[in-house]
Amino acid sequence: DIQMTQSPSTLSASVGDRVTITCRASQSISNWLAWYQQKPGKAPKLLIYKASTLESGVPSRFSGSGSGTEFTLTISSLQPDDFATYYCQQYNTYWTFGQGTKVEIK
Amino acid sequence: EVQLLESGGGLVQPGGSLRLSCAASGFTFSDYAMTWVRQAPGKGLEWVSAISGAGGSTYYADSVKGRFTISRDNSKNTLYLQMNSLRAEDTAAYYCARDGAAAPGLHFDYWGQGTLVTVSS
Repeated sequence: DIQMTQSPSTLSASVGDRVTITCRASQSISNWLAWYQQKPGKAPKLLIYKASTLESGVPSRFSGSGSGTEFTLTISSLQPDDFATYYCQQYNTYWTFGQGTKVEIK
Repeated sequence: EVQLLESGGGLVQPGGSLRLSCAASGFTFSDYAMTWVRQAPGKGLEWVSAISGAGGSTYYADSVKGRFTISRDNSKNTLYLQMNSLRAEDTAAYYCARDGAAAPGLHFDYWGQGTLVTVSS
């Protein structure tokens, strides 16, 4: 099974900060990686797929990069609506999610 | 507008059964694989099961294999998850989600709001 490890688990940041979340796969997944945003009590929302393709309607301050085993999600300038938990997901072999990164207000 | 609406959750005793439904609208249902993802209270996301657009191919996480059955009725635009031999560790919010293609294997682009399953005596 492919394991996904996100870091950090929790991130404290202020509005306007540049934020980077890292996701590592236990084996190469090419670029079969997605990022989701989830707010409390709500369903996850797709942000990025195929490692770097922005889903329609998602603000351009979100970006993704990486391939193989190491990936990053970057928020260029954190906005109040961005405080949430973020999950990476591999879909190279079945589907596995990272444990999540909670972005909190500093 | 794509909409996915789950139903069927509730409180069930260990060893019991429950069937979840997911009513889809706003897209050609049979053109897309569908999946179930669950989230235990305060925990992360776990993929549970997937089914191809035509319904001929199904996939299960090891944690539910042999106990859960995924199915779909394309004439009713509805996805199902039959859950048998339920355990306390199956307690979670269950989300249905749309895969990006007819064959399972992509990201999940639309999600329902979830239905809560609680397994407890």
